[in-house]
Amino acid sequence: DAKTTQPNSMESNEEEPVHLPCNHSTISGTDYIHWYRQLPSQGPEYVIHGLTSNVNNRMASLAIAEDRKSSTLILHRATLRDAAVYYCILRSPLNTGANNLFFGTGTRLTVIP
Amino acid sequence: DVKVTQSSRYLVKRTGEKVFLECVQDMDHENMFWYRQDPGLGLRLIYFSYDVKMKEKGDIPEGYSVSREKKERFSLILESASTNQTSMYLCASSVPRGTGELFFGEGSRLTVL
Repeated sequence: DAKTTQPNSMESNEEEPVHLPCNHSTISGTDYIHWYRQLPSQGPEYVIHGLTSNVNNRMASLAIAEDRKSSTLILHRATLRDAAVYYCILRSPLNTGANNLFFGTGTRLTVIP
Repeated sequence: DVKVTQSSRYLVKRTGEKVFLECVQDMDHENMFWYRQDPGLGLRLIYFSYDVKMKEKGDIPEGYSVSREKKERFSLILESASTNQTSMYLCASSVPRGTGELFFGEGSRLTVL
């Protein structure tokens, strides 16, 4: 099963950029890279996803390494509301079952005022 | 607004009781998931369903069963609750494609005494 590894925790100062890394060295050629975040007392919410090219949306940017074995979620200006646990997961394009939906423990981001 | 609704936010049950956790989604999604979340262990997949009456075991199915009689509803059943099943339970749904994001409910916190 293709799984991901992330640092347990990171800190950032408010209004500074944050780079959250994720390693996925066993990614298959067709797996999509998804990022989710979980705010306190809530279920996880979708942030962004990509396949090969870097992606931007209103929440964040996703930078994907050329060999696709790692990716980085970029929050351009961290706010206190961005304090959450961030999960990087891989999803197969085929409905092949649950093997690719490994969330793990994620990275707990602390934003310092 | 798209929605995944879990029937109870908080439940307290006794050891040996049968417990039903209900999840309903209004997005006509084929895929539905049940995860449990414990401190230090992250989200772990219990069961996955890719269609009505279809199910697949996740990482930790022991002690649980599921039911998907209608597309919008996915139930998690604890036939005989035990104290080690005290946890936060999260339901999610998605379209089958790997590009499809997962939508999560707010979670059900179960305490087994």
